[in-house]
Amino acid sequence: AQKVTQAQTEISVVEKEDVTLDCVYETRDTTYYLFWYKQPPSGELVFLIRRNSFDEQNEISGRYSWNFQKSTSSFNFTITASQVVDSAVYFCALKIGNQFYFGTGTSLTVIP
Amino acid sequence: DTGVSQDPRHKITKRGQNVTFRCDPISEHNRLYWYRQTLGQGPEFLTYFQNEAQLEKSRLLSDRFSAERPKGSFSTLEIQRTEQGDSAMYLCASSLLVGTTDTQYFGPGTRLTVL
Repeated sequence: AQKVTQAQTEISVVEKEDVTLDCVYETRDTTYYLFWYKQPPSGELVFLIRRNSFDEQNEISGRYSWNFQKSTSSFNFTITASQVVDSAVYFCALKIGNQFYFGTGTSLTVIP
Repeated sequence: DTGVSQDPRHKITKRGQNVTFRCDPISEHNRLYWYRQTLGQGPEFLTYFQNEAQLEKSRLLSDRFSAERPKGSFSTLEIQRTEQGDSAMYLCASSLLVGTTDTQYFGPGTRLTVL
């Protein structure tokens, strides 16, 4: 079975705090891809990152960083020094073959 | 603007009517996906095309739903005899398959309300 779990439904942080969004996935396949997307209030999903199952190297892009751990089937996303513009729903997704499976999303609110 | 576009952005219809949505992908992208998203949920895969061929359909896609991509460019999603349960955001995404994988870029969606 393929499944993506984002256990945090809603998170609120005060501006400049760090926040980590959790993503746990399930698959028996050895080849897969993991993604994070941002969905701001305007509604359009914005691609953030893609990782393949053979590359466990963590990645940093500005204030964003991602921690991929196959041992725990997790692909967590950290925003450092959060800003109000980070307020959005964030989706983690798993790609197996040609199918994408999205989690239910984490709604992040950054309070000024 | 070179992103994915969808038309219309909003559609209100009465139960039993047919509706058709259009998606224009990023021009060089060979794959096109349709998803449905309801409130508080992530996108659910409906179907996808590689060029003009429809390669996979979800079980969510009932007989009332049909999608086409006749020339491998834009795509249409038609829902016949709409039901209230069809009310959702319909998302289109396109991608360029390179090697064995692709990254999807999403359009703004068409919000369907069935009264």
